[in-house]
Amino acid sequence: DSGVTQTPKHLITATGQRVTLRCSPRSGDLSVYWYQQSLDQGLQFLIQYYNGEERAKGNILERFSAQQFPDLHSELNLSSLELGDSALYFCASSVYHRTRDTGELFFGEGSRLTVL
Amino acid sequence: EDKVVQSPLSLVVHEGDTVTLNCSYEVTNFRSLLWYKQEKKAPTFLFMLTSSGIEKKSGRLSSILDKKELFSILNITATQTGDSAVYLCAVDGGSQGNLIFGKGTKLSVKP
Repeated sequence: DSGVTQTPKHLITATGQRVTLRCSPRSGDLSVYWYQQSLDQGLQFLIQYYNGEERAKGNILERFSAQQFPDLHSELNLSSLELGDSALYFCASSVYHRTRDTGELFFGEGSRLTVL
Repeated sequence: EDKVVQSPLSLVVHEGDTVTLNCSYEVTNFRSLLWYKQEKKAPTFLFMLTSSGIEKKSGRLSSILDKKELFSILNITATQTGDSAVYLCAVDGGSQGNLIFGKGTKLSVKP
């Protein structure tokens, strides 16, 4: 158990809908990262927050948004869902701003999204 | 564009075999290379490598980095069925401090 909690574990929805994925980082970790893992693309970095502020953006679609709240939990909002958005969405956390400071990200178990 | 390429994509071996997994990279500002193991869901950290030629070891697993040739290998000796997993290589490419992952090598160890 990494200490990172993600909900829901599984989610099935229809095209055009909107969903919210939630992540609680390890106690004391200030950085939260969101990754998308699909079969053909591997783990793709979406976005990072550090202590409530957006720090880095990766290949995140405009239909997707995220935020980190004062209690450090984070939410990833996915809207106008398409079939291709079906994937496993991981949240990871670390205590530092940059991964080079520790090298290690602690991953949650992921939220599997299926868009029908 | 920064990229990380792993090979082979999949590998089937028998218990007791030794395997070598490969990771090559092209990144703008290399900071470190990391290996993760992904069994069912969450990737778990194995090693972080920053210097060339220095081997990191943990039990039957070891890894080394070659910054001149831009690659790393992960060795697993005396494989066990519990080693079956996807092994992910990731690189910290510097500018954003975030990890760029390869697509992984799926290792299956047969009894």
